[in-house]
Amino acid sequence: ETGVTQSPTHLIKTRGQQVTLRCSSQSGHNTVSWYQQALGQGPQFIFQYYREEENGRGNFPPRFSGLQFPNYSSELNVNALELDDSALYLCASSRRTGEAETQYFGPGTRLLVL
Amino acid sequence: GDSVTQMEGPVTLSEEAFLTINCTYTATGYPSLFWYVQYPGEGLQLLLKATKADDKGSNKGFEATYRKETTSFHLEKGSVQVSDSAVYFCALRPGDDKIIFGKGTRLHILP
Repeated sequence: ETGVTQSPTHLIKTRGQQVTLRCSSQSGHNTVSWYQQALGQGPQFIFQYYREEENGRGNFPPRFSGLQFPNYSSELNVNALELDDSALYLCASSRRTGEAETQYFGPGTRLLVL
Repeated sequence: GDSVTQMEGPVTLSEEAFLTINCTYTATGYPSLFWYVQYPGEGLQLLLKATKADDKGSNKGFEATYRKETTSFHLEKGSVQVSDSAVYFCALRPGDDKIIFGKGTRLHILP
């Protein structure tokens, strides 16, 4: 158990819809990163939030957006869903120390787009 | 750009066999290196890490050494168990934000 929780665990949406995924970080952590893991692939970095600001972004279009709240929990929003957005979405929390701090992953939200 | 290449699976071994999963990386600078494990239906768990050249990460009988001269971080275990069956991801972290993962290697251990 890493102390990182995500909700919901599973979700089914249709193409064109919008979805919001949630992540609660481990106690004492101030940084949240989001990853997309397609079936049979390694996770791909979407973006990271540190102290409520986006702090790095991967190669994902603007319809992927996020928020971080004062309690350091976070949301991932995806607009205009496409079939290829079907994946496991992982969030990871860490405490920024200026060194290579460890990211702790939640169990993920599995999204299916029909 | 930065990348990780790991051996393709699945890898099937008998219990108590010796395990090696190869991993090489391409990166500028001095990244930190990781092995993560994903058990069926679960998220990623950090298995071990190394932050500088010649460091050896170890955990639960698994080991990997950061080899800058060969840009490698191979995962080894002397005697695998059925409970080690999972998908293993080699990864690097070039800076403060993203982790770059390999595609994963599925490991099956037969009793």
